[in-house]
Amino acid sequence: EIVLTQSPATLSLSPGERATLSCRASQSVDNYLAWYQQKPGQAPRLLIYDASNRATGIPARFSGSGSGTDFTLTISSLEPEDFAVYYCQQRSNWYTFGQGTKLEIK
Amino acid sequence: QLQLQESGPGLVKPSETLSLTCTVSGGPISSSSSYWGWIRQPPGKGLEWIGSIYYSGSTHYNPSLKSRVTIYVDTSKNHFYLKLSSVTAADTAMYYCARHWALRYLDYWGQGTLVTVSS
Repeated sequence: EIVLTQSPATLSLSPGERATLSCRASQSVDNYLAWYQQKPGQAPRLLIYDASNRATGIPARFSGSGSGTDFTLTISSLEPEDFAVYYCQQRSNWYTFGQGTKLEIK
Repeated sequence: QLQLQESGPGLVKPSETLSLTCTVSGGPISSSSSYWGWIRQPPGKGLEWIGSIYYSGSTHYNPSLKSRVTIYVDTSKNHFYLKLSSVTAADTAMYYCARHWALRYLDYWGQGTLVTVSS
């Protein structure tokens, strides 16, 4: 099983700041990595697929990068609605998720 | 706009079988490249993929759950289903259904249904 480790567990930032979230895979997943956003009481929402492609309707402030074992989700300038939990997910070997990064307001 | 909705009992007794239905609306469940999946999330924890199915009936299951999981589809009703047998308290979770596009990523999700395993 491919294990995804997300860091940091919690990230405290202010609106307008830049957020950088990390996801590291226990073995190479090529570019087969997605990012999801989950707000309290809601289902996850797909943000990024295949490492760097924004899903339909996702604002340009969200971007993804990386390949192999190291991936990054960047939010260029945080909006109030961006504070949530973010998960990465790989599809290289079955489907597993990271444990999540909570992005909270500082 | 594709919409998914989970339904089923919110309480299941230990050792019994959990049964859920996902109703798909806004498009045919037999759409090309559209697989349909189940994902769960224990309270306060992360996400776990359970399995996915194509309208033809072809299934893919999480190896860790495979012995207890059955997913099947009814194209005439635009529904797909989850059965999880021999449940324990560890199966208590929010259960989501989602479209698993081309078995690549999960792009449309239901709102989820909480299932508690307790006597």
